Amino acid sequence: NAGVTQTPKFQVLKTGQSMTLQCAQDMNHNSMYWYRQDPGMGLRLIYYSASEGTTDKGEVPNGYNVSRLNKREFSLRLESAAPSQTSVYFCASSESPRGEQYFGPGTRLTVT
Amino acid sequence: GEDVEQSLFLSVREGDSSVINCTYTDSSSTYLYWYKQEPGAGLQLLTYIFSNMDMKQDQRLTVLLNKKDKHLSLRIADTQTGDSAIYFCAENPGAGSYQLTFGKGTKLSVIP
Repeated sequence: NAGVTQTPKFQVLKTGQSMTLQCAQDMNHNSMYWYRQDPGMGLRLIYYSASEGTTDKGEVPNGYNVSRLNKREFSLRLESAAPSQTSVYFCASSESPRGEQYFGPGTRLTVT
Repeated sequence: GEDVEQSLFLSVREGDSSVINCTYTDSSSTYLYWYKQEPGAGLQLLTYIFSNMDMKQDQRLTVLLNKKDKHLSLRIADTQTGDSAIYFCAENPGAGSYQLTFGKGTKLSVIP
């Protein structure tokens, strides 16, 4: 039982490049989330998926897209990376939309 | 709007008790959470309290909730160097919201 896994762990992109961050959970959770963590800003919700087949914007969705591929997987895509997207990205899941959330180890992204 | 406030730093001596405080603004919050983040890692759920409770104890951890003042605290008894981390308070607002709102985190430093 690995919990929530994220790939890659580290990534460096040039401005304008695209990439997809992968997240998977093996807890049979219904809801999944993507956050970004910046120094002094705490965690901010980018997108979430309350259940398979649905996605909704969070607090800071601009510049991102998501796909809930199936119940296990929730990916985050940066279509044209910008330096302002340099951050640590965390995926989380919960059994129900308002339940306690379990976090992955994070992806450290640098955009130059 | 929702806002969660925490002091940014706390320093205690090994063996003393630590008290980390948090205030929140959403009076309809149902659950309040404490998460721990060690360096380079994701967030780990420590404990949570339902809004109709005043106190919850779990081994060395005691959570106190003053709903009237919208004040939440986490007490760690017999603080150890392994407790050094960033502690995040988070609230789950009332019906209709799926988003956790996090504070910016309190960095706890334990002095040997």
